Formats: sequence, structure tokens, C-alpha cells
Amino acid sequence: SQQGEEDPQALSIQEGENATMNCSYKTSINNLQWYRQNSGRGLVHLILIRSNEREKHSGRLRVTLDTSKKSSSLLITASRAADTASYFCATDRGYSTLTFGKGTMLLVSP
Amino acid sequence: NAGVTQTPKFQVLKTGQSMTLQCAQDMNHNSMYWYRQDPGMGLRLIYYSASEGTTDKGEVPNGYNVSRLNKREFSLRLESAAPSQTSVYFCASSEFHLNTEAFFGQGTRLTVV
Repeated sequence: SQQGEEDPQALSIQEGENATMNCSYKTSINNLQWYRQNSGRGLVHLILIRSNEREKHSGRLRVTLDTSKKSSSLLITASRAADTASYFCATDRGYSTLTFGKGTMLLVSP
Repeated sequence: NAGVTQTPKFQVLKTGQSMTLQCAQDMNHNSMYWYRQDPGMGLRLIYYSASEGTTDKGEVPNGYNVSRLNKREFSLRLESAAPSQTSVYFCASSEFHLNTEAFFGQGTRLTVV
């Protein structure tokens, strides 16, 4: 069963706008990871945030983690058409394999 | 550096036929995984191999078998394909079983008619 659930299921924005996706999970985690999947391709790892970290940045990506609320958010700033993809969160509970959510489909229009 | 390579990329099977999906990684990773992705279901783990010589069931193992041939290769076998196994299959690898990122192959799109 899915440990992480992304919200919203779909998001449509204009180029230059920021995109925010959220992930909620049910049990304690060691780390949480975000992946991107372009249509018809494999998943690509974006960022890993450990349970003792609250925020992490990578280029235009900003990830936050709130373990008290069991939630994480992925912010993509100044979105580009090339950011159009599905985004998945995955939780590592420390004793089992990564568990993926169902993803958020992001559409960035020029 | 090829990363994770899956073959074939596309396959159509008739119900009852068997086939093996191949996966190889060149990153010297210890752990390898097979996932299936269905519309609206996200990725579900079929089997994984935490290290060479070990394999374990994931969330949806029924109808599948795996072989960790060596450290590089991890194959997935469908003994008697069913329409419910129509899906996109992804192989992935990671340096260790936990606390590390996973690297994915490009996927195999399988249709069972």
C-alpha cells in the first residue's frame, strides 16, 4: 500500500510561476525522496531529505519536511515548460524498501 | 555510463505465454528492484534484491519470479502471462538497500492480450 500520498493529483501553471506539491505519509520515516518522471521515461531522483532535516535546496527546487505533521512539500520556483512531468514522493522507513505515492502531474504552459 | 538498462522496451504477449525481462546496472550497486506502474496506482514493488544472493517479495509478487544472476543483473520472469500483468515495468538499483537514492531504467511496456 502507498505510504506517501501526493497532493494535488494534477497542477497546471504558466511558465515563470512557482509550483508546490505536497506529500503526506502515515508512519515514521528515515528519509523522504522526490522523483520526477517525464512521459514515457523512467524516474529520476531529485532530492533526498532525512528525518532530522527540515529544509533542503537543489537549484530551483526547495523541499521541506515536517515530521510532526508527517508531510513534505516540493517547491519548484520559476517553472519552465521543461518541468512538465509527474512528480513522486517516496518514503524510506528504515527497515523496508522505498514506497512511492501516486504522483502529481505538473503541466507548465509556455 | 549506461546506468540501468532494461530489455526489451516493448513486448506483446498472448495470455499464457512466458517471458523474461532483463535488467543490468553498471554502477556497482548492491540492491536492485522491480516495480510495475499502472495508471492511477503509482509504482508498486514486485520483488527486490537487497544484495547479491538474496531476493525478497514486494507488494505485488504473485505471478512473477526473479533471479539475481550476479551483482549486475536482475531478471523478472512471467511464467504464464495474464492480462492483469499488462503494465509498464521498471527496474531500479541503489548503492545500498536503505538511505540511498534509486536509479531507474527506461521501462518495459508489456501488453498481454
